[in-house]
Amino acid sequence: QSVLTQPPSVSGAPGQRVTISCTGSSSNIGAGYDVQWYQQLPGTAPTLLIYGGNSDRPSGVPDRFSGSKSGTSASLAITGLQAEDEADYYCQSYDGSLSGSVFGTGTKVTVL
Amino acid sequence: QVQLQESGPGLVRPSGTLSLTCGVSGDSISSSYWWSWVRQPPGKGLEWIGEIYHTDSSNYNPSLKSRVTMSIDKSKNQFSLKLSSVTAADTAVYYCARLQHSWFDPWGQGTLVTVSS
Repeated sequence: QSVLTQPPSVSGAPGQRVTISCTGSSSNIGAGYDVQWYQQLPGTAPTLLIYGGNSDRPSGVPDRFSGSKSGTSASLAITGLQAEDEADYYCQSYDGSLSGSVFGTGTKVTVL
Repeated sequence: QVQLQESGPGLVRPSGTLSLTCGVSGDSISSSYWWSWVRQPPGKGLEWIGEIYHTDSSNYNPSLKSRVTMSIDKSKNQFSLKLSSVTAADTAVYYCARLQHSWFDPWGQGTLVTVSS
């Protein structure tokens, strides 16, 4: 029941830059609600990666990770890709029609 | 450091009720945050279940609303989830998390609940 659409997978060589898109609608991202990003390493719980209207990073998250938003979409960029970045990534926002949080479909990042 | 820990049965019979508890340490359940549940079926994505505030206000995912009940126990600094009339489709890892403004942080480690006879 994911309302936010992400590509199933993206890949890149070490050191490269990859981006993950998150496409929503006028009731969530397009309505101006914040977009968050989470990283989920295999077998573990998701952890907050990017949050808030300024796309801030929690303490400890490298500045290789950055977020942006435009219209009804958002993006997560990973620069200087590292082997440890291999994980699933989810976007999340609020949906005014559902009156609750919605998650993206998830993207698996593979480091070649 | 805020930590959350889920607990409850790992196996629930079809048509039964799933019951989980999330213990909170490092923060008061009566602080200015909402307390949430999110689930993830095996090999699939994340689904928001709902959230509760210490005043007992709650918000539930419309797709689950008829079967979900959340509660808070201030004396034990914990909150709970009940999901009734479960089917195999409710098999998932269930996470509890603190909702700050619009983001979930931190998360519990998660607990797998299997619905099977």
